[in-house]
Amino acid sequence: QKEVEQNSGPLSVPEGAIASLNCTYSDRGSQSFFWYRQYSGKSPELIMFIYSNGDKEDGRFTAQLNKASQYVSLLIRDSQPSDSATYLCAVHRQGSGYSTLTFGKGTMLLVSP
Amino acid sequence: GAVVSQHPSRVICKSGTSVKIECRSLDFQATTMFWYRQFPKQSLMLMATSNEGSKATYEQGVEKDKFLINHASLTLSTLTVTSAHPEDSSFYICSAHRGAPPYEQYFGPGTRLTVT
Repeated sequence: QKEVEQNSGPLSVPEGAIASLNCTYSDRGSQSFFWYRQYSGKSPELIMFIYSNGDKEDGRFTAQLNKASQYVSLLIRDSQPSDSATYLCAVHRQGSGYSTLTFGKGTMLLVSP
Repeated sequence: GAVVSQHPSRVICKSGTSVKIECRSLDFQATTMFWYRQFPKQSLMLMATSNEGSKATYEQGVEKDKFLINHASLTLSTLTVTSAHPEDSSFYICSAHRGAPPYEQYFGPGTRLTVT
């Protein structure tokens, strides 16, 4: 059973703080890692992806990947109330004739003004 | 990013009727599309993977005769909920990827189905 684990939260942070969202995965063959944001009643929106160990920055967002520890995280700097949403971690594996994207259950982030 | 559309955005139907939901990739060709279902306050559940020109692959527990999937072209996949019942009421979301690394999936806006 290939699993992606996330703390369900809610993670509460004050406006302006750094929010740190974490995800672990069980499949060592996973190749690409994604973070999606989902507002209540809406569909998921891709924030960023990462496939190499280390950090990847995009604006206020930084994704971090550690394949040895099977760990991926998302940092949100200068958190805003509009960042309040559920953040989904997703892990991709591609093989001969198949492509699977496994989602975690998501972490709810609440940013208070 | 890429654009995926869904139609309709909301539908209300009577129990026993069938409902068709369309998913289109607007600015790229999608060899593979995915159909998800999400109940309130629950996580995404993959229902099936739709491959252009071939039969869909259904996840365990999803009835293929009830949820008919047709992926007739590289930009269109349809999901038909047959003989809908109130327990089928849910948020149905499709997604698609370009078929090339890193295989990121782009989601449609979703269809909220209510069966009365």
